[in-house]
Amino acid sequence: DGGITQSPKYLFRKEGQNVTLSCEQNLNHDAMYWYRQDPGQGLRLIYYSQIVNDFQKGDIAEGYSVSREKKESFPLTVTSAQKNPTAFYLCASSIETNEKLFFGSGTQLSVL
Amino acid sequence: GESVGLHLPTLSVQEGDNSIINCAYSNSASDYFIWYKQESGKGPQFIIDIRSNMDKRQGQRVTVLLNKTVKHLSLQIAATQPGDSAVYFCAGSTGANNLFFGTGTRLTVIP
Repeated sequence: DGGITQSPKYLFRKEGQNVTLSCEQNLNHDAMYWYRQDPGQGLRLIYYSQIVNDFQKGDIAEGYSVSREKKESFPLTVTSAQKNPTAFYLCASSIETNEKLFFGSGTQLSVL
Repeated sequence: GESVGLHLPTLSVQEGDNSIINCAYSNSASDYFIWYKQESGKGPQFIIDIRSNMDKRQGQRVTVLLNKTVKHLSLQIAATQPGDSAVYFCAGSTGANNLFFGTGTRLTVIP
């Protein structure tokens, strides 16, 4: 059953802590993305990757980091430098960059 | 800057009626658009996309209309069902640039 799997569904971060959100896809898509969703706002791009071992900053990359060591995986780390991390985080993938993105089920990150 | 938005934050329709959800964009060079459906607590689900060389595209019970003259696109859902209740949002892009996402319209289907 092909798709994008995000884990965990809920995550809590303590002050000064780094947390990592997992994203795995078995769709054989080259491009992968991380978006942040806040209430009343459109999705905002954090990072994206068009190919393994390469990634680019999106509009709100500060306080986040990513890696793309495998085609199937694109984990996102929310660092302690991100002062307002509470949001719904969405991972997506696509065959062609910026076309027909398919999204995972999301991770809700909250601050303790 | 580039923007993509939606006309109405909420829309209520009677079950069985047709729904029309609207979206406006600012950049006349935008050439690719997507519509997504998002249910509460879930990730967005792809509905349909359209390129600027087309005015209309149809899917299963959905039609997207693109009016480049007034920079407007709409999503029409035929015979709306309770399962169609969700937030719908559009996204657009220009060339190879990143997608811009609108804020969404919450569609409520009244049984």
